[in-house]
Amino acid sequence: NAGVTQTPKFRVLKTGQSMTLLCAQDMNHEYMYWYRQDPGMGLRLIHYSVGEGTTAKGEVPDGYNVSRLKKQNFLLGLESAAPSQTSVYFCASRRQGAYNEQFFGPGTRLTVL
Amino acid sequence: QQQVKQSPQSLIVQKGGISIINCAYENTAFDYFPWYQQFPGKGPALLIAIRPDVSEKKEGRFTISFNKSAKQFSLHIMDSQPGDSATYFCAASWGGTYKYIFGTGTRLKVLA
Repeated sequence: NAGVTQTPKFRVLKTGQSMTLLCAQDMNHEYMYWYRQDPGMGLRLIHYSVGEGTTAKGEVPDGYNVSRLKKQNFLLGLESAAPSQTSVYFCASRRQGAYNEQFFGPGTRLTVL
Repeated sequence: QQQVKQSPQSLIVQKGGISIINCAYENTAFDYFPWYQQFPGKGPALLIAIRPDVSEKKEGRFTISFNKSAKQFSLHIMDSQPGDSATYFCAASWGGTYKYIFGTGTRLKVLA
């Protein structure tokens, strides 16, 4: 049971480049989330999904797009990276229903030059 | 109303001491309050959680105290150990939502 995995672990981009972060979970969870973590700002929700084929905006969605074509995968895309998107990105998943634990992946450290 | 305010931002405690981290919220619809622990280079992991029908929950050296009237809850780490050095996040949620609202985090350092 790998839990939540994220690919890649580290990435350096130049301004304007694009990339996709992949999140995979093997717990058959319905809900999946993308957060960014910046010093002093905690975990801010970018986008989330409550089921295959559905996505919704979180607190800081601008500059990001997501897709959930398969239940186990949640992709986060940056179409034109900006230095302000330098951050650590965490994916999380949890089982449907209230009060269920949210499981986090190990994170992706992204630097945009 | 959606915010969870966490303090302090950082905390240094001697080994064996008590670490206390506080959170406050405004939304009275919140009914689930988890705490997450994050070690450097790792993702957060659930440490302990409480529902507002109880005022305290204890798991080992970790205790959540909940004050519904003041809309505050806190994490107490008794007999703090260097291995407890991590960032701690409080969070809040309610039954009708898909989302957790996280505090800004507290970086705890326990000196040996």
